[in-house]
Amino acid sequence: GNSVTQMEGPVTLSEEAFLTINCTYTATGYPSLFWYVQYPGEGLQLLLKATKADDKGSNKGFEATYRKETTSFHLEKGSVQVSDSAVYFCALATGKLIFGQGTTLQVKP
Amino acid sequence: SAVISQKPSRDICQRGTSLTIQCQVDSQVTMMFWYRQQPGQSLTLIATANQGSEATYESGFVIDKFPISRPNLTFSTLTVSNMSPEDSSIYLCSVERLAGQETQYFGPGTRLLVL
Repeated sequence: GNSVTQMEGPVTLSEEAFLTINCTYTATGYPSLFWYVQYPGEGLQLLLKATKADDKGSNKGFEATYRKETTSFHLEKGSVQVSDSAVYFCALATGKLIFGQGTTLQVKP
Repeated sequence: SAVISQKPSRDICQRGTSLTIQCQVDSQVTMMFWYRQQPGQSLTLIATANQGSEATYESGFVIDKFPISRPNLTFSTLTVSNMSPEDSSIYLCSVERLAGQETQYFGPGTRLLVL
């Protein structure tokens, strides 16, 4: 069946460090892929998306590239800030959204 | 995107009671969904709220426990019936503006604690 696997958290980084959160998926066909972010006490916000192979989604300094050959959609940011502390969810769409388990990011000043 | 509001934002309820959560969107949308997020967990789809017909429930969720209404293209309700402490979760609605667009936008969530 369709599924999404994210790296275990929490991920703890110092401000201005480089961020990678790994996401791999299993799906039939060519699903659209998403990253959502959930700040403490809030709902989910769409961070970025990609709809086909080799597409790069980007927003607020975050990027992710749809890699069909490795079935991956890793999230990266060159320099994190304390305000990026949140839970990040990778998801795929195959008629409905299927979420990974979420990765907590803590950025320390 | 879409502006989505939910009421209540949080509640504390006694076991055996029911709570109805409202989801309002600022424009007409084709698809509305209800999710549950248990403490420290990911999101699980409860059902798709269909306008003018019965909701479509996912495996493990039933209409008697989670009745859903969708009277028009901007509004939906989810009721959590006969609550137990295991129902303590965040309940989120989401919308897809156009069918097949696949991008979903989420409301702020309703934080429910059942004692």
